[in-house]
Amino acid sequence: EAGVTQSPTHLIKTRGQQATLRCSPISGHTSVYWYQQALGLGLQFLLWYDEGEERNRGNFPPRFSGRQFPNYSSELNVNALELEDSALYLCASPGAGGSRETQYFGPGTRLLVL
Amino acid sequence: RKEVEQDPGPFNVPEGATVAFNCTYSNSASQSFFWYRQDCRKEPKLLMSVYSSGNEDGRFTAQLNRASQYISLLIRDSKLSDSATYLCVVNGRPGGSYIPTFGRGTSLIVHP
Repeated sequence: EAGVTQSPTHLIKTRGQQATLRCSPISGHTSVYWYQQALGLGLQFLLWYDEGEERNRGNFPPRFSGRQFPNYSSELNVNALELEDSALYLCASPGAGGSRETQYFGPGTRLLVL
Repeated sequence: RKEVEQDPGPFNVPEGATVAFNCTYSNSASQSFFWYRQDCRKEPKLLMSVYSSGNEDGRFTAQLNRASQYISLLIRDSKLSDSATYLCVVNGRPGGSYIPTFGRGTSLIVHP
């Protein structure tokens, strides 16, 4: 079973630009969670998608948005980039069935805003 | 008060030592608890779930104290490969959804 995949692995942007990050969940899984991990900070929940719909959103401004496609892959968009958006962005699939509350992470996208 | 708090460390211990980490959480309605391990510049990986009765997985023992709202992780006979950041994770279920809250992590360095 393929794990969670993310692309790109690294992304360099300048302030004011837009960034698009992509994630494919574990094959057959319908949920995708997005997190931001800034240096020295814990993982902050960003967005949760399930069955193509946004189910919950963390405490982030509207310029953080995303969507989930019919094949359950997902995209995170960050508009009007700010320096403090530099972070590791992680995507996760929850486990299935009884292990639904655990999270399986992709390798992440490192975003650097200059 | 932060939702999930951990001592950031680092905990610097020799091989073979026993080390314990604590994590406190503020939401008394929290339903499930986990420890994850994150290696430098890598993604977090599930280490173990934490059950009310306590549970053990080899050299690792996790315990939950609901009354005092903390969970703990004990590592016995530390190995060099245990060096990592250990993240405490608490799941609430607002409206039935699973939104994990992560602590900032405790750094462990095991030296020869």
